[in-house]
Amino acid sequence: EPEVTQTPSHQVTQMGQEVILRCVPISNHLYFYWYRQILGQKVEFLVSFYNNEISEKSEIFDDQFSVERPDGSNFTLKIRSTKLEDSAMYFCASQNDALYEQYFGPGTRLTVT
Amino acid sequence: AQSVTQLGSHVSVSEGALVLLRCNYSSSVPPYLFWYVQYPNQGLQLLLKYTTGATLVKGINGFEAEFKKSETSFHLTKPSAHMSDAAEYFCAVGPGTASKLTFGTGTRLQVTL
Repeated sequence: EPEVTQTPSHQVTQMGQEVILRCVPISNHLYFYWYRQILGQKVEFLVSFYNNEISEKSEIFDDQFSVERPDGSNFTLKIRSTKLEDSAMYFCASQNDALYEQYFGPGTRLTVT
Repeated sequence: AQSVTQLGSHVSVSEGALVLLRCNYSSSVPPYLFWYVQYPNQGLQLLLKYTTGATLVKGINGFEAEFKKSETSFHLTKPSAHMSDAAEYFCAVGPGTASKLTFGTGTRLQVTL
């Protein structure tokens, strides 16, 4: 069964460093999302992406964040200068146009020290 | 704007007992409603969804949920709990088609012998 994959599973970085989280969505999906879950808190929407552009973003998704679909298969989330409060589990999700179902990847745990 | 309230951050049931996880939503448009399950150190797996039509929806692993518009509820049930059901369960709401999901805070289900 097709699935969303994410790499790395765990990333540790120092405050102020840039990180890139990678996702490979399901191949025939058209809509892509990033969510995050700070430890012990709810899953929060960050950004949605369709037709090679951002369709919606949350207040969390400020100028430090960017997304890209560089090669038609990968979907990346970049944090330019990480802060301690960026420590969280980051989930990628993708959606087929017709089924209104978002399929989530296993997540990348980002730890900022 | 949309929001989800999950009553009870922890629910404990005996194996074989009824599982009832509560979810109430708020939405200014007809909602699309979802239940996701998260096993330890894993991503979110879709259990079931309601979009339109039949208000009682069946999902995987014997779970079902009923959309009650008058009560703005979408409670998740399973007639007989199994040890393997122990996990965190998230209710989510979306405004339809391809758009962000708003999640509740989650309910951790414990199943005891």
